[in-house]
Amino acid sequence: SQTIHQWPATLVQPVGSPLSLECTVEGTSNPNLYWYRQAAGRGLQLLFYSIGIDQISSEVPQNLSASRPQDRQFILSSKKLLLSDSGFYLCAWTHRGRDYGYTFGSGTRLTVV
Amino acid sequence: SQKIEQNSEALNIQEGKTATLTCNYTNYSPAYLQWYRQDPGRGPVFLLLIRENEKEKRKERLKVTFDTTLKQSLFHITASQPADSATYLCALADNQGGKLIFGQGTELSVKP
Repeated sequence: SQTIHQWPATLVQPVGSPLSLECTVEGTSNPNLYWYRQAAGRGLQLLFYSIGIDQISSEVPQNLSASRPQDRQFILSSKKLLLSDSGFYLCAWTHRGRDYGYTFGSGTRLTVV
Repeated sequence: SQKIEQNSEALNIQEGKTATLTCNYTNYSPAYLQWYRQDPGRGPVFLLLIRENEKEKRKERLKVTFDTTLKQSLFHITASQPADSATYLCALADNQGGKLIFGQGTELSVKP
């Protein structure tokens, strides 16, 4: 069966520090991968999506970046965090093609102080 | 601009009743629409998908309708239970690329 792993679960980082969040998927190949951010009491905002290795699209201009060094690994990074980067970060995957629901990871609660 | 709207106010209902949640959208031509459940501090969980050429989809106590003329989807939970209490998210995927865009969600509270 397919599983998605996302870590860490919580993170407190000072302003200006770097960030690296990792997400891996097991039990499937060639997944579409996504990073979303959810502010408190708000909906999910799509940040990045990837349909293959080194094929990444950015949805929102910001100081975050994403990379996909391996087929089932998706990394969200920042060189210098801002207070506004605080939020709940969610990784998700789905099968190629349409008509499939997304499977989300358990999320990372990031607080920038 | 494109917009997905769900009732921002929490929905409070009595156990056993039918809960009905609404999702309206503008300036979209969605290929399909999905509904998710999200519990506090957790990632959303996929519930149902309905395609643009489908009017209704059912799964156990859940029913989703999709009216592309009204640009609206209704999500029903029949015989609701306290365990159904959660936030329910509507999401649309357009015909170009299939990226899911989410609504703000509606919080449902089922009282015993």
